[in-house]
Amino acid sequence: EDQVTQSPEALRLQEGESSSLNCSYTVSGLRGLFWYRQDPGKGPEFLFTLYSAGEEKEKERLKATLTKKESFLHITAPKPEDSATYLCAVPTSGSRLTFGEGTQLTVNP
Amino acid sequence: NAGVTQTPKFQVLKTGQSMTLQCAQDMNHNSMYWYRQDPGMGLRLIYYSASEGTTDKGEVPNGYNVSRLNKREFSLRLESAAPSQTSVYFCASSGWYGEIYEQYFGPGTRLTVT
Repeated sequence: EDQVTQSPEALRLQEGESSSLNCSYTVSGLRGLFWYRQDPGKGPEFLFTLYSAGEEKEKERLKATLTKKESFLHITAPKPEDSATYLCAVPTSGSRLTFGEGTQLTVNP
Repeated sequence: NAGVTQTPKFQVLKTGQSMTLQCAQDMNHNSMYWYRQDPGMGLRLIYYSASEGTTDKGEVPNGYNVSRLNKREFSLRLESAAPSQTSVYFCASSGWYGEIYEQYFGPGTRLTVT
């Protein structure tokens, strides 16, 4: 059975304190991995697609990396506006996705 | 280009009432989805439509029905609402972007069943 597990469930950082979020998966024949950001009361917002192990993508203070077993979302010198829930997802059958439960990130000023 | 839109944004129902959640996308995507999101449970797929004219059950289809009205619109119906259906509902659509399908989400409908 395809599974996606995110850790930690919640992370509290001080502004400027860099850290990483983890997404581990068990899926047969990985066809890519997605990261989304979700703000309270809103729908998930697409951040990155990673297609294969070894790939990296960057956007502002965020950098996503992918290995054969897991993905990391590195946050460098975060700001309070980076506070959100970060979701990862992997394609399963066809165009369907399996989501992790998310990491709730809080960045304090 | 509005992306994925959903109506209504909020709804309160009494147990046993029915309602339809509406979703539309303007990205010319073939596939559309309905999810529910509950604390501690993550996003769970209710129903999806791989293309116009087809619909399939997801993880948690009981108590719901869907209609793919045309390529743009995909509705979710609760025939007899139950308190267990209190949740936030998201519609999404996906298209092929060269190597992979990417899903894009609407803003959500917050439903409370009393």
